[in-house]
Amino acid sequence: KQEVTQIPAALSVPEGENLVLNCSFTDSAIYNLQWFRQDPGKGLTSLLLIQSSQREQTSGRLNASLDKSSGRSTLYIAASQPGDSATYLCAVEGEKLTFGTGTRLTIIP
Amino acid sequence: NAGVTQTPKFQVLKTGQSMTLQCAQDMNHEYMSWYRQDPGMGLRLIHYSVGAGITDQGEVPNGYNVSRSTTEDFPLRLLSAAPSQTSVYFCASGGGISLAFGPGTRLTVT
Repeated sequence: KQEVTQIPAALSVPEGENLVLNCSFTDSAIYNLQWFRQDPGKGLTSLLLIQSSQREQTSGRLNASLDKSSGRSTLYIAASQPGDSATYLCAVEGEKLTFGTGTRLTIIP
Repeated sequence: NAGVTQTPKFQVLKTGQSMTLQCAQDMNHEYMSWYRQDPGMGLRLIHYSVGAGITDQGEVPNGYNVSRSTTEDFPLRLLSAAPSQTSVYFCASGGGISLAFGPGTRLTVT
């Protein structure tokens, strides 16, 4: 059974810093990995999707990497801003879509 | 283009009551799904549908029913609410990069 872990559960960093969020998964037989953002009381918004054949994807200040063999993905956020404060979830798609529990990110002005 | 809409946003039920959570999408997606989100746990799949007239169970289907009479609508029915069904429910439409979530329904069962 696929298990997806995100550590830490919460993270606070000063505005302007670069930061990395981590995601690990137990079964490397995946089609893709996706990062989502969830604001309080809202649904999930897709940020980046990495196909299993890809190593990374970039969108603006966000860069996501995937190492299938080690079962790890990272989401790199450059020059963090208070508006980046949210919970970030990763999800891997194999037989089904399996979500991690998320990292709650707070950017301190 | 409204995307995925869910109603109601909030609901309080007494144990044993039944209700239907509504979900609609205007993106012409064949695939739709229902998740529940509980503190400390990832989103868990309740039921899903690959097209009108076709539904299947997910990871935690007990206590829930679904139907898919049209491409646009995918309601989730709670047959006899239990406190364990207190959760936030998300409807999703599409898959992969086209996956879109509704804003959620916060359900409390007392």
